Amino acid sequence: EAGVAQSPRYKIIEKRQSVAFWCNPISGHATLYWYQQILGQGPKLLIQFQNNGVVDDSQLPKDRFSAERLKGVDSTLKIQPAKLEDSAVYLCASSRSTGLSTDTQYFGPGTRLTVL
Amino acid sequence: QQQVKQSPQSLIVQKGGISIINCAYENTAFDYFPWYQQFPGKGPALLIAIRPDVSEKKEGRFTISFNKSAKQFSLHIMDSQPGDSATYFCAATYRGTYKYIFGTGTRLKVLA
Repeated sequence: EAGVAQSPRYKIIEKRQSVAFWCNPISGHATLYWYQQILGQGPKLLIQFQNNGVVDDSQLPKDRFSAERLKGVDSTLKIQPAKLEDSAVYLCASSRSTGLSTDTQYFGPGTRLTVL
Repeated sequence: QQQVKQSPQSLIVQKGGISIINCAYENTAFDYFPWYQQFPGKGPALLIAIRPDVSEKKEGRFTISFNKSAKQFSLHIMDSQPGDSATYFCAATYRGTYKYIFGTGTRLKVLA
């Protein structure tokens, strides 16, 4: 079973520029998550999709961050304009969504963003 | 109330020793507590998990101890090996949702 794919793996941009990250979840996984992991901290959920609908985006800075999940499969996370404090690893995860809280989340390798 | 507090921040253990990482929570709505292991440059991967209706779960060298009354749980790594050197995160999920709240992580180094 192929894992969660993310691209690019690294991105360096200047502040006020825009950037986009792509995620392809494990086949058949209905739920997709985007997390932000700042150096030295645990992952923080930004947005959660169930199929192509948003379940939770309460911690997404909506003035600069946006995300979509096309046809309930791939997803794109965008930042526009980027700030210095957005420097972090952006992790994508997916889960089967069996209806149980024990649903395992499988993480991709992440995209390391550096904002100069 | 939604936080999961994790300690220590870093840990150095000799090969063959026991590594212990502790987590505490406040929200009694949490009903599932996974531990994730993360190697540099990789995403976190599920290591072991527990429900609050059991006090201990063991998988190989990894054991979770759970104290529901104290709202604390811990990861014990027996016979620690250099290959266990990684960052460990505890997490908790709310009843009825898939949302994970992660601890701040513990960087473990096992000396050969």
